[in-house]
Amino acid sequence: GAGVSQSPRYKVAKRGQDVALRCDPISGHVSLFWYQQALGQGPEFLTYFQNEAQLDKSGLPSDRFFAERPEGSVSTLKIQRTQQEDSAVYLCASSAHPTNKLFFGSGTQLSVL
Amino acid sequence: QQQVKQSPQSLIVQKGGIPIINCAYENTAFDYFPWYQQFPGKGPALLIAIRPDVSEKKEGRFTISFNKSAKQFSLHIMDSQPGDSATYFCAASITGNQFYFGTGTSLTVIP
Repeated sequence: GAGVSQSPRYKVAKRGQDVALRCDPISGHVSLFWYQQALGQGPEFLTYFQNEAQLDKSGLPSDRFFAERPEGSVSTLKIQRTQQEDSAVYLCASSAHPTNKLFFGSGTQLSVL
Repeated sequence: QQQVKQSPQSLIVQKGGIPIINCAYENTAFDYFPWYQQFPGKGPALLIAIRPDVSEKKEGRFTISFNKSAKQFSLHIMDSQPGDSATYFCAASITGNQFYFGTGTSLTVIP
């Protein structure tokens, strides 16, 4: 595709609900990253895939967060039993390994009420 | 622990001025230092990047200055324009690994 596509653009969830955020990376990009960006802050690393392999998930804040990329293309970030502190913009980025140029999507803004 | 420290938090300059944003890091294993520009409601977009084997890189009106011994790097925007008003993030990474971002600088260029 022309760029990294994320959906939904906005998500409002009641506390305790499960949510799923989707990322379509640039076609052919091997590496895929998820970042969390709180209001007025820089992106914070969550997890990293190379193809379908999740190579680093050290940034996931709790076991309520789960990410997958089963066919090495589209990725889904799932948050179970959402809490108010999960409210943030979730950014997906992809890159053509081994270059370092990261291309970001516009993010999903999650609001947990 | 903040891997990359960025300053100032906000910056206001007149059109044509040269805003300078500074970043510092501790991990000497970092080998890639990009700057990203972010507009409201959009994801960060790569502006310019440098590797530690050079001290300066220019791309259009954007210049990175890199001081390896001081573990600092900075972004200079020449002849700034109102359209440059955005939030700027520095970052650092070890090739093939995660990126660590600074906390951002909100730049306002007054016409």
